[in-house]
Amino acid sequence: DAGVIQSPRHEVTEMGQEVTLRCKPISGHNSLFWYRQTMMRGLELLIYFNNNVPIDDSGMPEDRFSAKMPNASFSTLKIQPSEPRDSAVYFCASSHRSSGANVLTFGAGSRLTVL
Amino acid sequence: DQQVKQNSPSLSVQEGRISILNCDYTNSMFDYFLWYKKYPAEGPTFLISISSIKDKNEDGRFTVFLNKSAKHLSLHIVPSQPGDSAVYFCAASALANNDMRFGAGTRLTVKP
Repeated sequence: DAGVIQSPRHEVTEMGQEVTLRCKPISGHNSLFWYRQTMMRGLELLIYFNNNVPIDDSGMPEDRFSAKMPNASFSTLKIQPSEPRDSAVYFCASSHRSSGANVLTFGAGSRLTVL
Repeated sequence: DQQVKQNSPSLSVQEGRISILNCDYTNSMFDYFLWYKKYPAEGPTFLISISSIKDKNEDGRFTVFLNKSAKHLSLHIVPSQPGDSAVYFCAASALANNDMRFGAGTRLTVKP
């Protein structure tokens, strides 16, 4: 298994531009998470999906952020318009939710720089 | 709000000694706790976990201790090795739902 795949690995854009981050979870996993890593807040949960359905998006900072999961093998996180304070590393993670413990597998992250 | 807190941003220890990383949580609904390790330019990877029905879980050089009354857990690494140098994240979740909350991380440096 190739693990959780994120693209792009690095993105540099200018303020006001639209940014789309992509994630392919591990096949068979039914939960998907988007996190943002910053120096001040560490790993901050933005949103998570169970069986492609958004469960909790209370961590999404503003209406400029949106996330979709059109099918079990793909998710996007979109920022429109982007701002310099959105600069961070964004991680996608997936897991197989069962009645037992939940262990997340992370992708390598997408480093976003907004100038 | 930070439901999981790691108050030490960094820790430096000598090779062969014990490393102790600490974590506090505020949500009494949390019943499953994990530690993740992160190297630069990589995603966090799972290290060890503990459920609330236990107070200790050991895996080789790594031991996690849970004190439910104090809402505190710690990760012990004995003996520490230079390859253990990384950022360690504490995480917590409630098995009844599915979200997982992380702390801000502690950067461990093990000096040869």
